[in-house]
Amino acid sequence: KAGVTQTPRYLIKTRGQQVTLSCSPISGHRSVSWYQQTPGQGLQFLFEYFSETQRNKGNFPGRFSGRQFSNSRSEMNVSTLELGDSALYLCASSLRALAGADTQYFGPGTRLTVL
Amino acid sequence: AQKVTQAQTEISVVEKEDVTLDCVYETRDTTYYLFWYKQPPSGELVFLIRRNSFDEQNEISGRYSWNFQKSTSSFNFTITASQVVDSAVYFCALSDSGNTPLVFGKGTRLSVIA
Repeated sequence: KAGVTQTPRYLIKTRGQQVTLSCSPISGHRSVSWYQQTPGQGLQFLFEYFSETQRNKGNFPGRFSGRQFSNSRSEMNVSTLELGDSALYLCASSLRALAGADTQYFGPGTRLTVL
Repeated sequence: AQKVTQAQTEISVVEKEDVTLDCVYETRDTTYYLFWYKQPPSGELVFLIRRNSFDEQNEISGRYSWNFQKSTSSFNFTITASQVVDSAVYFCALSDSGNTPLVFGKGTRLSVIA
C-alpha cells in the first residue's frame, strides 16, 4: 500500500506570495491533518479534514487555509507569505476522524523556504 | 491542557550501547493515547508505537521497548544495542479520545556513533 505522498517536496517563495501544498493520503484513509514543523516551535497542528469538512483547527492566522476533496486528497494554502512561514509542512492521514483512536501516518513533508 | 515533555534535547551514544529516551505527559483525561515517532534526516515521521491509557503492559519489538507508567505519567522508549541507523529525532506524542490532534514533545535527537 502506498504511503502518504506530498507535493512538492521543496518550494522557494518570496514574501507576499502565496503557496499551495498538496497531500494524498493512504488509500482508504479519510482523515487528513496538517502540521507545521519549525526549529523554534516544534511540531504544531494546523488543521484536520474529514469527509471534505474541517474538523479541527490549530492556532494559526487566517492566512493558512485548507480543503479536502471527495477523493480525500487535501491541499493547504498559505497566502501573503512571511519569513516566519519557512518550515517543514507535514501531512498525516488516518482511517477515521478520531485522531485519538487512530494512528496518523505521515508523509515526507514539503519544505517551504520564504525569502 | 495536554502537554508532552521530552527533557533530553540531544543524546549521543556509541554503537551497541543501550539508550533510553524519556517522555513525560500531562492530561486531565482518563482515556488517552501515547505515540512514538521517529524522524530520520529525510524528514518523514515514521510511526513506531501507539499505546492507550488502559494498557500499561510494556512492549518489546526487536531492539525497541517501551515502558508505560501511569503513576509517573511517563512513556519511555529504550533502544537496545543501538545502531547507526537509529540516529534520528524521536518524538513522543499524546492525543485524547475526543477527536483532538496530536500534541508533540520537542523531540530528542539521538546520534549513534560507530
